Amino acid sequence: AQSVTQLGSHVSVSEGALVLLRCNYSSSVPPYLFWYVQYPNQGLQLLLKYTTGATLVKGINGFEAEFKKSETSFHLTKPSAHMSDAAEYFCAVSVFYGGATNKLIFGTGTLLAVQP
Amino acid sequence: SAVISQKPSRDICQRGTSLTIQCQVDSQVTMMFWYRQQPGQSLTLIATANQGSEATYESGFVIDKFPISRPNLTFSTLTVSNMSPEDSSIYLCSVPEGSGNTIYFGEGSWLTVV
Repeated sequence: AQSVTQLGSHVSVSEGALVLLRCNYSSSVPPYLFWYVQYPNQGLQLLLKYTTGATLVKGINGFEAEFKKSETSFHLTKPSAHMSDAAEYFCAVSVFYGGATNKLIFGTGTLLAVQP
Repeated sequence: SAVISQKPSRDICQRGTSLTIQCQVDSQVTMMFWYRQQPGQSLTLIATANQGSEATYESGFVIDKFPISRPNLTFSTLTVSNMSPEDSSIYLCSVPEGSGNTIYFGEGSWLTVV
């Protein structure tokens, strides 16, 4: 069975500092991995995804994540935080359903605060 | 990406009543998913709605409480029945796109039960 663990329910960084949000997964099959962002009072927006191929994936708003199979990790990073990055971030792993990636198992989320 | 519209976006409901949430997608999709996000928590899948068949519910969710309709390939409804304050949540509709490798979400329906 697949599962996702996000270390750190709250992360605070200074504007301009590195953002690192941690995600570890458990999967009995090669996983598809996703990061979503939820801005206050909004729905979920896809930041980036890993399916196959290049293990370093780039997403929107300057975020990227690296799939490390040996560490079962998919940590999200951004070199320089902006105030507008303040949001909740969810890591998710797919569950193969009907032969395609459809059903998602979510981590508990990490609330990112950016200090001026 | 798919455009997913949900109605209502927000509502305040009286306990004991029922509310139906609509989800409209701008393209035809086989599967649609309904998630719940309780306050301060992560997302939990309620059920999978396939057109032309009964919805498949996850553990802890039952059809009597969360009946789902899927009349065509672009539309689905989720009803939250006999609501209690514990049902206060964001309810999100989601669909896979293309090969199914990407899942997109609607803006959510914010329900408060008083």
